[in-house]
This record gives sequence, structure tokens and C-alpha cells, in this order.
Amino acid sequence: AQKITQTQPGMFVQEKEAVTLDCTYDTSDPSYGLFWYKQPSSGEMIFLIYQGSYDQQNATEGRYSLNFQKARKSANLVISASQLGDSAMYFCAMREGISSARQLTFGSGTQLTVLP
Amino acid sequence: GAVVSQHPSWVICKSGTSVKIECRSLDFQATTMFWYRQFPKQSLMLMATSNEGSKATYEQGVEKDKFLINHASLTLSTLTVTSAHPEDSSFYICSAAFQGYNEQFFGPGTRLTVL
Repeated sequence: AQKITQTQPGMFVQEKEAVTLDCTYDTSDPSYGLFWYKQPSSGEMIFLIYQGSYDQQNATEGRYSLNFQKARKSANLVISASQLGDSAMYFCAMREGISSARQLTFGSGTQLTVLP
Repeated sequence: GAVVSQHPSWVICKSGTSVKIECRSLDFQATTMFWYRQFPKQSLMLMATSNEGSKATYEQGVEKDKFLINHASLTLSTLTVTSAHPEDSSFYICSAAFQGYNEQFFGPGTRLTVL
């Protein structure tokens, strides 16, 4: 079974608008972490935001926020005020357990295109 | 945050040759390093997990004898693709986990093309 599901292969958004990238996950481990990474065409993986399973509040990092709905097992990324430089592939990932030394499982990704 | 480097950034080799890719943690000692492979338009697939001084743990379906991983120190892990074939052409990317950080830090990746 897929542990991380991203159902939007591609998304378009107008510059300066907000966009939500969907991510659902599946785990039976009560301790887990959820991550979003951005991968521009250069290939580097850029860490955006982290949400721990026990965190009470949704994580925010600048223009990025994570809409964490634990009961629904969703961890959607919201990008506010989109910029042309936000055009990239976005991956949702999950780590089961507390230790940072545990592996990440990635979703299939969403290609975001920001239109001028 | 931490910086992870990878060398080379790209390599072209002939079929049957071996290629070594280095992954270095530049400013912290990494508890664990990971190797991923990514085919075009696809997600990252974990190949193996590597800890300093011990044998790497390979994911199911990854050939240990073909993809040799050596983790000689807390700041260096190497991946050697032995007897490379065209189907091994891919983007190889490493990451490192550090104490005190939730996220993994990724290297810039190595694009391997086998002719």
C-alpha cells in the first residue's frame, strides 16, 4: 500500500495567488514526521517544512504552511503569494518513528507551474 | 542548516566500467547517510541506508554487489556502481541525518549516464 499519496501530478497557479498541494499518508506508527521538499529543475532537494505527529499547531515557515489534519491523515502544503521561482516539483515525505536516522518515504510529487 | 556535497555532479561512462560517487557532510558529523535513485519524472527511491563503520542496509530489489556502499567516516559515504550498464543511468542523490535536526539534508545529486 502507498504510504504517501500525492494525487496532483501537475498544478498551475497565477503569480501572487495561493496554492494548496495535497498529500495523504498512511501509517500505524503513532510517532512520525511529515516533510515537504522542493526540487527545481537543477535537481537539488530543498527542505521546506516539517510537521511532527504530536505537534498541536500547524507548521509555518515564511510563505509555506502545512495544513495538518491528523484524523484525515493529510498534510497539505499551502504556498501563499506564489512567485515565479516557486515553479518546481514538490515532494511530500514521511518518516516513521522519532529518530532522524530513519528513512524517508516520498510521494510521487506534484509539478507546480507559476504563471506570470 | 547543514551542507552536504556530492561529487561528481555528472559523469558519463562506458558500459562495463565502475563509477564512484562521493557524498560528504561538510560541517557536521552525520549519524546516518542515505542513497536514493531518481529516474526522470519520478520520485526518489531509497536504495540503501548507511551508517559509519557498519554495512549498509539495502532496500529490497537493490543489488548489493552492484551498488557498493562504503561509509568510512562520519562525514563521507561513497556509492560505487560496478559494471555499469545503460539501465543504471539515473540521478543518484544522497542525504544525511544529523542529531538535532528533523529534516535530512540532501546533496546536489549526481547524474550518471552509461553509454
